[in-house]
Amino acid sequence: EIVMTQSPATLSVSPGERATLSCRASQSVSSNLAWYQQKPGQAPRLLIYGASTRATGIPARFSGSGSGTEFTLTISSLQSEDFAVYYCQQYNNWPPAYTFGQGTKLEIK
Amino acid sequence: QVQLVESGGGLVKPGGSLRLSCAASGFTFSDYYMSWIRQAPGKGLEWVSYISSSGSTIYYADSVKGRFTISRDNAKNSLYLQMNSLRAEDTAVYYCARVDIVATFDYWGQGTLVTVSS
Repeated sequence: EIVMTQSPATLSVSPGERATLSCRASQSVSSNLAWYQQKPGQAPRLLIYGASTRATGIPARFSGSGSGTEFTLTISSLQSEDFAVYYCQQYNNWPPAYTFGQGTKLEIK
Repeated sequence: QVQLVESGGGLVKPGGSLRLSCAASGFTFSDYYMSWIRQAPGKGLEWVSYISSSGSTIYYADSVKGRFTISRDNAKNSLYLQMNSLRAEDTAVYYCARVDIVATFDYWGQGTLVTVSS
């Protein structure tokens, strides 16, 4: 099983500042990496797929980078609605054995 | 617009069974692979199962293999998860999700809570 490790567990950032979230895979997943945002009481929402492609309707302040085992989600200028939990997910396996990271909680500083 | 609505959750005793349903609308259901994903209270996300558009290809996480069965009825635009031999560790919100062409989960339902407790 590919283990996904996110850091930090909690990130405190002020509105308007940049946030950088990390995700590491236990083995290479190429660019088969997605990011999701989850707000309390809501289902996750797809933000990024293919490590760096924004999903439909996702604002340009969200960007993803990386390949292989190291990935980053950057939110360039935090808005109040961006404070949430973020999960990375790999989809490199076949047959599918999708795995998620444990999440990074982005909180208001 | 794409909508996924889960139902069938509830309280069940250990060893019991439950069947979850997911009603899909706003897209051609029979064109898409679908998945179930769960989230234990206060915890992260765990992929549970995956079914191809025709239903001919199915995969499960090791944690549910042999106990859960995924199925679909394309005529009814519905996805199902039959859960048998339930354990306390199966307690979670269960989401159905559409699998997009690049194998990510692009639409999710609101989830249904399954609680396994005596």
